[in-house]
Amino acid sequence: DQQVKQNSPSLSVQEGRISILNCDYTNSMFDYFLWYKKYPAEGPTFLISISSIKDKNEDGRFTVFLNKSAKHLSLHIVPSQPGDSAVYFCAAFQTGANNLFFGTGTRLTVIP
Amino acid sequence: NAGVTQTPKFRVLKTGQSMTLLCAQDMNHEYMYWYRQDPGMGLRLIHYSVGEGTTAKGEVPDGYNVSRLKKQNFLLGLESAAPSQTSVYFCASSYFPQLNTEAFFGQGTRLTVV
Repeated sequence: DQQVKQNSPSLSVQEGRISILNCDYTNSMFDYFLWYKKYPAEGPTFLISISSIKDKNEDGRFTVFLNKSAKHLSLHIVPSQPGDSAVYFCAAFQTGANNLFFGTGTRLTVIP
Repeated sequence: NAGVTQTPKFRVLKTGQSMTLLCAQDMNHEYMYWYRQDPGMGLRLIHYSVGEGTTAKGEVPDGYNVSRLKKQNFLLGLESAAPSQTSVYFCASSYFPQLNTEAFFGQGTRLTVV
């Protein structure tokens, strides 16, 4: 059973607007969350992360929000750029474990 | 700076054949991982290694074996390939356990078993 879920397989956004990618998880023991970006024919690359002791982490145009009570996190990209078009994976883990659980990914298309 | 390099990039196997996927990293990372990615599913951990000479099972280890004879290399073996092993395989490495820091991924190996 998927412990990390990304229910939107795809998202299209106009250049300059905000992109919001969502992720839900079921395991309340997860205490760290990461977002990876993947271009075609390349491996995933790390984008941003957040610890469960925080509810927000910002890095330039990218902000991740965590709502522990709802077991939900989101990635905001502002402003969106055509180069942001990629598949975004949400991932989560529990301290002490050796597995990073990935969501199924959301394909973001930023329209110029 | 090569980072993480996977060999080969593409391969077609017949059912029952064997093969080895090679992962090499030049970042002196202790931790290395093999994942598979299938349509409609996230990346799933097959095996991992926390250092030279060590390996451990991940989430979906059946049908695979691994070896870490040298710190920079992590090999994934399929002894008798099955169509269910058709997938894209990613190798990754990290300095610390990827629990709280980023892992660096290779470009992937697309394997088709017919």
